[in-house]
Amino acid sequence: AQSVAQPEDQVNVAEGNPLTVKCTYSVSGNPYLFWYVQYPNRGLQFLLKYITGDNLVKGSYGFEAEFNKSQTSFHLKKPSALVSDSALYFCAVRSKDNYGQNFVFGPGTRLSVLP
Amino acid sequence: DSGVTQTPKHLITATGQRVTLRCSPRSGDLSVYWYQQSLDQGLQFLIHYYNGEERAKGNILERFSAQQFPDLHSELNLSSLELGDSALYFCASSDFDRPDTQYFGPGTRLTVL
Repeated sequence: AQSVAQPEDQVNVAEGNPLTVKCTYSVSGNPYLFWYVQYPNRGLQFLLKYITGDNLVKGSYGFEAEFNKSQTSFHLKKPSALVSDSALYFCAVRSKDNYGQNFVFGPGTRLSVLP
Repeated sequence: DSGVTQTPKHLITATGQRVTLRCSPRSGDLSVYWYQQSLDQGLQFLIHYYNGEERAKGNILERFSAQQFPDLHSELNLSSLELGDSALYFCASSDFDRPDTQYFGPGTRLTVL
């Protein structure tokens, strides 16, 4: 069975500092991995994805994520946080080898960037 | 704006009632997914349709059903509503050629009193 863990409910970081939001996953076979962001009263917005190739993936709004197969992790990072990055972040996984498997989302991590 | 639309935005109803939520996918997207987001359960996958056919079922209750019409819009029907059904319901769509990225609608907030 597929699963996603986001070990931190909440991450606080000062504006201008680097941020990391952690994600680990479990999937049979090779994974598709995703990060989505949800602003208050809005739907989820796609940030970035890992399909294959380079382990470092660059996405929207200056975010990037690093795929680590041995640690089954896909942490989201940004070198310099903005107050406007404050939102709820979801990691998601799907098995690449079984299209019948659908997306599984993590519980979400609330990021607060303090001015 | 993702291009996915959902109506209504808010819905308030009573226990035991039935409601219908509507979703229009992005132009050209053949796949529609429904999700339920609640505080205690997080984001739960309910059901996936592709070009009118059911493709996969997740944690969808028997009181809930969905369909996708020839014009590709989809409806999620919730019946015999219970207090615990209060949640945000999201629809997402994807292009079959790139089924990996889903585009989410703004959601319908259902409140059952």
